[in-house]
This record gives sequence, structure tokens and C-alpha cells, in this order.
Amino acid sequence: GESVGLHLPTLSVQEGDNSIINCAYSNSASDYFIWYKQESGKGPQFIIDIRSNMDKRQGQRVTVLLNKTVKHLSLQIAATQPGDSAVYFCAEGRSNDYKLSFGAGTTVTVRA
Amino acid sequence: GAVVSQHPSWVICKSGTSVKIECRSLDFQATTMFWYRQFPKQSLMLMATSNEGSKATYEQGVEKDKFLINHASLTLSTLTVTSAHPEDSSFYICSANTGNYEQYFGPGTRLTVT
Repeated sequence: GESVGLHLPTLSVQEGDNSIINCAYSNSASDYFIWYKQESGKGPQFIIDIRSNMDKRQGQRVTVLLNKTVKHLSLQIAATQPGDSAVYFCAEGRSNDYKLSFGAGTTVTVRA
Repeated sequence: GAVVSQHPSWVICKSGTSVKIECRSLDFQATTMFWYRQFPKQSLMLMATSNEGSKATYEQGVEKDKFLINHASLTLSTLTVTSAHPEDSSFYICSANTGNYEQYFGPGTRLTVT
């Protein structure tokens, strides 16, 4: 079936650098997308979301880009900090049932 | 606001026994609650959707007689793993929805079946 997937399973980034995490989705019916951060042994933590009628949204130190033409989603983290080390998941959802489909996850490790 | 709790946070049970996990929305009423399972180093997989006062809807491949879900009120949903086996050992996570696309996740419950 259709699912959300991630291009890279791991990302190592130097502290202070910018991080870019990518995600490919395949369900054209999805009308919103969410990025979550998960630390070991904890539940997912909301980072930022974007509706399908937008192509960019910014938060504090984070930016999400959506390219519906190629069904691609990315999360940019500015000035990556050690506390950003975690697994990042993208998820897609549909407003008819609000079910979320999660991607495989990217493990981000921040080097001091 | 929008806090979801789970109890217990971890549990160890013997093979063949049943274990109940509670999911509560602490400061809001949840129209819908979702249950996920996450194996080590894997993603979250949706198991079922739970609506207050009605039967849960299970995803394909999830045994409804094994994973019993009860949504007794707008703030409480329970997942009971019946006749647990070692392969049921996993991280179970619930989330609560208030009727829009925002979904609030609980901290998860680590189940180990020996």
C-alpha cells in the first residue's frame, strides 16, 4: 500500500550547522503533513505541520517545505544543537479520518 | 495544555497473560484516540482508531480479538493485549484527537512479555 518514506536513515551534523531531513510520500490524497521528533523511550513530539495548500512554513529554527509535484517533504533545522539529536519522522494525514501514516524515520546525531 | 498520559509506562508480563494499557487525555476531551505499536528502530504503525462509545476500527492485519480496545469516555481509552506472547513485546503509543488534524501523543508504554 501507499506509505510515507524517508530517503536517509541517518544524518550526522556538526553542531551549529543546518540540518535537512527529507521525506517522500506517495498518497496524493493526503492533505496535511507533520514532522515529529522522538527521543529514546518517549512518544513523538510535534515539531511543525503544513497543509497541502502551502509549500513552505516556518517555525522557531525549523522550516518545512512541501513539493506536491514530486511528493517530497523536507524539514530544515537551523543552527542544529545537541538537543536536536533524536529520530525524526514525517507523517501524512487526511482530514476525512485524521489517521496518520508515518515514515521510516531519520536518526539525527549532532557532533559537538 | 493538550497532555496525554499513559499508564503504565512499562510493564513486564508472563506469556499467556493479559495486560491493560490506559490512555488518558488530561485537560481536553478527545473525539478520537489512536493506538500505535512501535518495534525497536522502526516507525510507528497504526493499530486501531477508537471513538468514544463505539467499536474500534482496526487496521489491516491487526487482530481485534487479541488487542481489545475500549473507549469508555472522552478522556479514556484502554488497550488490552490478551494472551500475550513474546512477539507482542513492543512500545505501545496512544494519541488523542479533538476533531481536527492536531494529534497529541502519549509518552508510550513499554511492554515486555517473558
